Amino acid sequence: AQSVSQHNHHVILSEAASLELGCNYSYGGTVNLFWYVQYPGQHLQLLLKYFSGDPLVKGIKGFEAEFIKSKFSFNLRKPSVQWSDTAEYFCAVNRDTGRRALTFGSGTRLQVQP
Amino acid sequence: DGGITQSPKYLFRKEGQNVTLSCEQNLNHDAMYWYRQDPGQGLRLIYYSQIVNDFQKGDIAEGYSVSREKKESFPLTVTSAQKNPTAFYLCASSSTGATEAFFGQGTRLTVV
Repeated sequence: AQSVSQHNHHVILSEAASLELGCNYSYGGTVNLFWYVQYPGQHLQLLLKYFSGDPLVKGIKGFEAEFIKSKFSFNLRKPSVQWSDTAEYFCAVNRDTGRRALTFGSGTRLQVQP
Repeated sequence: DGGITQSPKYLFRKEGQNVTLSCEQNLNHDAMYWYRQDPGQGLRLIYYSQIVNDFQKGDIAEGYSVSREKKESFPLTVTSAQKNPTAFYLCASSSTGATEAFFGQGTRLTVV
């Protein structure tokens, strides 16, 4: 079975600081990779996704993520965070075949201070 | 507006009672999912259904049951056998081709 690890549980940054959130997964086969965001009081929304092709993926609101296959990683980045980026961020994977349900990491709570 | 509707938003029940959480989608998606969200544990898969009249156990199915009699509906019953039912429950759906899932607003269940 696949699993996802997010090592940063709680990150506190000042506005304009750069962000990198780590995500590692364990599964030997082909996977699809996702980052979701949950703003306070709102439903889970897709930030970006990787299925194949260019390993550098750009998403909404200036976020990007890089898939490094050799490291089983899919880290999320943003050059300059804003107060409105305060939210919980979840990395998720699913398989290309068989069980297609997403497997999520434990989440990273990002707090951006003005 | 297309989307996933979960009701109610907040639910309170006494210990020992079964409770059913509603999930309806009008996105014409084949697959539907139930997740449980607890602080610091992310989302854990309870049950999923890839097609009408078929469903599979997820990673934490004990104490839960589901049905999938209609494509648009996937209700979850939290039974009295679930040892720690107080949690935030999220329903999601996805189409056959695309693999990303779309989520409802969630139901916060409190058992007292």
